[in-house]
Order: sequence, then C-alpha cells, then structure tokens
Amino acid sequence: AQSVTQPDIHITVSEGASLELRCNYSYGATPYLFWYVQSPGQGLQLLLKYFSGDTLVQGIKGFEAEFKRSQSSFNLRKPSVHWSDAAEYFCAVGGMEYGNKLVFGAGTILRVKS
Amino acid sequence: DTGVSQNPRHKITKRGQNVTFRCDPISEHNRLYWYRQTLGQGPEFLTYFQNEAQLEKSRLLSDRFSAERPKGSFSTLEIQRTEQGDSAMYLCASSSVGGYQIKSSYEQYFGPGTRLTVT
Repeated sequence: AQSVTQPDIHITVSEGASLELRCNYSYGATPYLFWYVQSPGQGLQLLLKYFSGDTLVQGIKGFEAEFKRSQSSFNLRKPSVHWSDAAEYFCAVGGMEYGNKLVFGAGTILRVKS
Repeated sequence: DTGVSQNPRHKITKRGQNVTFRCDPISEHNRLYWYRQTLGQGPEFLTYFQNEAQLEKSRLLSDRFSAERPKGSFSTLEIQRTEQGDSAMYLCASSSVGGYQIKSSYEQYFGPGTRLTVT
C-alpha cells in the first residue's frame, strides 16, 4: 500500500477561486508532514511543514495546511488562487516509521484557468 | 545562502556510457540526500549521507550506482553502464541535524535537479 496518497492527479480551478489539495498518509504515530511545489523542469520548493503543535500551519505564498490525525490527512489550501500557482504539488511524510528519508505522494498537477 | 546547486542540469547519454552528477548542498547542512523522480511520480529516495558517511541506501540503488561525499561537502552520484530505465530527474536535497533535533533532518531543501536522458 502507498504510504502517501494524493487522490487527485489533476485539478483545474479558476483564478481567484479557492483551492484544496488532498493528502493522506498510511501510518505513523507522530508523522512529520510537508508540502512541496514543483514548477516544470525545476526542483522542489518547500511550501510548509508540520512537526507538532497547532494543527493549522501557514506557509509561503498564502498557502496553509491542516493536520487531522483522525483522518490521517494533511490537506493543502489556498483561499484565492493566482495564475502563477499553476504547478505540481507534492505531499511528503517523514518520521521514525519512515526511516531517515521523506516519502512522497505521486503529486497533483494544478491548472489555473483565467 | 545560495541554496542547493546541481550540475549538470541536463545530460543526454548513450546506453552503456557512464555519467556523473554533482550536488553542492547548503553550506551549513550536514545531511545530503539523493532522490530519483520519474515522469508522473514523486521523488523516490536513493541514499543519504551524514557528513562524509553514507548511512543508508535504497534497494533502488543497484550496484551500477555509486555515491560519494568525500569531504562532507559536495556529493557525486555516478551511474555506470547506463540503461534506458535510468532516464529520470535526479534530485539532491540537504538538511541539518544536530544533537536531539532529529526532526530538523526531515526539513529538506532541494536543488533544481539533473535530468538524465539515456538514448
């Protein structure tokens, strides 16, 4: 079974609309959770991270994510999408159960229509 | 801080040739990771170093692959006798870990990647 699931391969939203990208992890009592963004041909940029504490975390570029332990989820949200947000978004998990590495989901491609 | 850099950015090679990639991590980071990303997938872990010691290798890292970090600074990843299945983006990341702050090691910063095409 996949450790990290991003159920949506593609999502299209209109510019100015709100966005939610889903992420579920399979296991881990204390997971460390991350969202990265990747523009075409580029490396990954860290958007935000969750280690512990407040379950709603703020990141760069107006993104936020909420950790819900009961649902094993860490969904990424943005209230108003800009055309420059079009990219691929990856959720990743780390922690003791995953060893000394990050385990990534397969990614969600975001398209923004004007 | 110039971030993580990788060279070359693109490499086209013929099957059977050897290739070597270089990664320069963020200067104060003592951990360095290599990941591989194929089309439509997220990055997959290959190996990581703490300082100059290679501490873990994935089973994805066949014996044709070797990685080094001789002085605990930059790292090289060599692929011998390349195969078409090696075509991918090779990503390097770095992080810092010290004392009991293990969780900081997971906050990894990635370079732009080297895209390898084997023809």
